[in-house]
Amino acid sequence: DAGVTQSPTHLIKTRGQQVTLRCSPKSGHDTVSWYQQALGQGPQFIFQYYEEEERQRGNFPDRFSGHQFPNYSSELNVNALLLGDSALYLCASSLDGLLYGYTFGSGTRLTVV
Amino acid sequence: AQTVTQSQPEMSVQEAETVTLSCTYDTSENNYYLFWYKQPPSRQMILVIRQEAYKQQNATENRFSVNFQKAAKSFSLKISDSQLGDTAMYFCAFMKHGSGGYQKVTFGTGTKLQVIP
Repeated sequence: DAGVTQSPTHLIKTRGQQVTLRCSPKSGHDTVSWYQQALGQGPQFIFQYYEEEERQRGNFPDRFSGHQFPNYSSELNVNALLLGDSALYLCASSLDGLLYGYTFGSGTRLTVV
Repeated sequence: AQTVTQSQPEMSVQEAETVTLSCTYDTSENNYYLFWYKQPPSRQMILVIRQEAYKQQNATENRFSVNFQKAAKSFSLKISDSQLGDTAMYFCAFMKHGSGGYQKVTFGTGTKLQVIP
């Protein structure tokens, strides 16, 4: 049973560019959350998608946007990249996160130069 | 807003020994869930153990157990018979239902655990 799959695993972008990160949730999961993890820090909540709608977002600017598709897969888009956007971006999926917790992917390491 | 504090940035333990990682949190909620996640160098966050706040009994999962003190807002993780594969970052996490049904997880800053052979 495949878990959460994220692509790409590593990415280098130039300041000002745009990037799209992709996530395929674990089979049977319908909720996808995105987190940003800076080096040496805990993950910070970006937003959560359920039934193709953004259900909630954390304290991130509008440069961060996302989408969930009918098959529950999701994309995270970041526009006008800043050096400070360099981080590990984690995708987590769940069916009922309170009961079962979240299943995380291995993340996409984004480096902005 | 909820906050989660892990006051031990780094810890080490001899193989086969027992180690306890500390976590405190701040919330005004009564119903919530607490988790410990492990993040090895492979980067994938792995759920270690889960505790429901309304349950007084401490959760146990094989060599992993928690000491949940609701009044003190404390949620420590005990690892018994430490193994080399336990070397990882450990994150304490708090979760509750938000408005509109979303479930937001708040993570601590992590404790880096090194198991020494």
